[in-house]
Amino acid sequence: SQQGEEDPQALSIQEGENATMNCSYKTSINNLQWYRQNSGRGLVHLILIRSNEREKHSGRLRVTLDTSKKSSSLLITASRAADTASYFCATDARGSARQLTFGSGTQLTVLP
Amino acid sequence: GAGVSQTPSNKVTEKGKYVELRCDPISGHTALYWYRQSLGQGPEFLIYFQGTGAADDSGLPNDRFFAVRPEGSVSTLKIQRTERGDSAVYLCASSFSGQGHSPLHFGNGTRLTVT
Repeated sequence: SQQGEEDPQALSIQEGENATMNCSYKTSINNLQWYRQNSGRGLVHLILIRSNEREKHSGRLRVTLDTSKKSSSLLITASRAADTASYFCATDARGSARQLTFGSGTQLTVLP
Repeated sequence: GAGVSQTPSNKVTEKGKYVELRCDPISGHTALYWYRQSLGQGPEFLIYFQGTGAADDSGLPNDRFFAVRPEGSVSTLKIQRTERGDSAVYLCASSFSGQGHSPLHFGNGTRLTVT
């Protein structure tokens, strides 16, 4: 079963607006990562947040983690057309060796 | 610098045939992963190598799937007696170490179509 599930499945916004994507997971984790995938390409690592962290920033990205609710959010501020892609959360669950478990992703479309 | 390279980028094969998919990881990365991604879904874990050995092959769906990494660098994913349900994008990733905090670097994948 999917460890991470993103919400919404699809999001369409205007350039300059903020985009928020959510991820829920089921088991205890060591860390949570967000990846981005452009159509027909591999995934690109964006940011990692450890289980003992609550918020992390990287450029226009802000990630939050609430381990009590087993959820995370990814905020992209001042979106650009080039941010159009699918975004996936991935969890490194405790006791699962080194396999990352990915959700089904949010397809973000930023309209120019 | 060179990223993870996967060949071929596309592979069309007939049901029942054997296929090999190749992955060249980033030089110096000890950990190598294979994932499978179906349309509209996230990647699904298949197997993880630390060095030459398969440290976790729990994601391989059945014994038709096998992967090797004989010299701790290049890896080959082998699928015997292919079925139409094997059609997907097969992604390879490498990381500097097998530690959970070490981000994965993905190749662009091999799109396998079984007719």
